[in-house]
Amino acid sequence: QVQLVQSGAEVKKPGASVKVSCKASGYTFTSYGISWVRQAPGQGLEWMGWISAYNGNTNYAQKLQGRVTMTTDTSTSTAYMELRSLRSDDTAVYYCARVPYGEPINFDYWGQGTLVTVSS
Amino acid sequence: QSALTQPASVSGSPGQSITISCTGTSSDVGGYNYVSWYQQHPGKAPKLMIYDVSNRPSGVSNRFSGSKSGNTASLTISGLQAEDEADYYCSSYTSSSTLHVVFGGGTKLTVL
Repeated sequence: QVQLVQSGAEVKKPGASVKVSCKASGYTFTSYGISWVRQAPGQGLEWMGWISAYNGNTNYAQKLQGRVTMTTDTSTSTAYMELRSLRSDDTAVYYCARVPYGEPINFDYWGQGTLVTVSS
Repeated sequence: QSALTQPASVSGSPGQSITISCTGTSSDVGGYNYVSWYQQHPGKAPKLMIYDVSNRPSGVSNRFSGSKSGNTASLTISGLQAEDEADYYCSSYTSSSTLHVVFGGGTKLTVL
């Protein structure tokens, strides 16, 4: 069965970086993209960007351009999301989600979420 | 504020039907047949309920249906059940230069 398993919770200081992993199983990793979505405490969902697991092409939300990098490791079927220069308003649960090619918002399977807390 | 507008809350009694609206613009909801709906229970990851406006993924109850008219998409849940109580988010592809995907602010469904 399709599974996306994310890395554990992180606590970071303002200005630091965080890298969240998302290990996929149960399907051919390179046949789908991965999107990252975050959710601040008590708030709604926010799309962060997308990466093709086939060729590494990316699309990022403009507000995060320059601070976010999404990568994949096809040898381990793992996607990564790195966010730099962390601020308190980056505190959120970060989700990875599988995305069929040609279906840009069809997030059909989700990881369990990773809580990132930014605090001094 | 969110790019797509949803009511903050809706409620209904078991067995009734409810509809949640999702209003955008011609640059997102009205311009593409890429509207999805997600259900989220507290402390859980979202779950895809509807994609491409009106398609249900395998395993999703046929009590859930989606539609679109102009710049407004809708999710209808018929035969309300207690386990339907959750937050619901709509999502759309957008031609905006700053985003490719936009979400609604979410709607809290209460089953009375």
